[in-house]
Amino acid sequence: SQKIEQNSEALNIQEGKTATLTCNYTNYSPAYLQWYRQDPGRGPVFLLLIRENEKEKRKERLKVTFDTTLKQSLFHITASQPADSATYLCAFMDTGRRALTFGSGTRLQVQP
Amino acid sequence: EAQVTQNPRYLITVTGKKLTVTCSQNMNHEYMSWYRQDPGLGLRQIYYSMNVEVTDKGDVPEGYKVSRKEKRNFPLILESPSPNQTSLYFCASSFVYSPYNEQFFGPGTRLTVL
Repeated sequence: SQKIEQNSEALNIQEGKTATLTCNYTNYSPAYLQWYRQDPGRGPVFLLLIRENEKEKRKERLKVTFDTTLKQSLFHITASQPADSATYLCAFMDTGRRALTFGSGTRLQVQP
Repeated sequence: EAQVTQNPRYLITVTGKKLTVTCSQNMNHEYMSWYRQDPGLGLRQIYYSMNVEVTDKGDVPEGYKVSRKEKRNFPLILESPSPNQTSLYFCASSFVYSPYNEQFFGPGTRLTVL
């Protein structure tokens, strides 16, 4: 079955540094990947979507890349701030199953 | 304000006592779905609905029922809750079913079944 994996270990970085989170997928070739932010006890909030032919997408301090050869998406937050501390989820819609499949998320902690 | 609302936000119940978690969206979205979130397992889809009167099973539908009689509402029903259904539940909606439409999530319902 299709699978989407994110590093389950928390990522701790210093304020001002760039955070890089990884999302790997197997057994499927999504045309789109989505990234969400989730704060503790709250629902995920959509951040960015990238299409397979876009390679890179930016929104303010956020950047997402999509490498269909490596079956990997990277999510970058530049000039990170303590307010960026949250869990970040990647997801894709399996059009056959009509289901949005999520990774388990990577928790980011930005130290002041 | 465009939003997805869920009620209740917190619920403690006992095994076998039927319960309903309501979900409502005010964005005229066609696609709605329910997820449960458990530590280490991430978000898993329970049921989804493409539109009114059209529902289908997701990855973990056992023990749950849904209905979609109105476009805005998509309640989740647990006919006979069991402890393994203790979880954090999220309702979500999007304009239509599409891999490039963002999902809007509700605030979550934390359910404990004793």
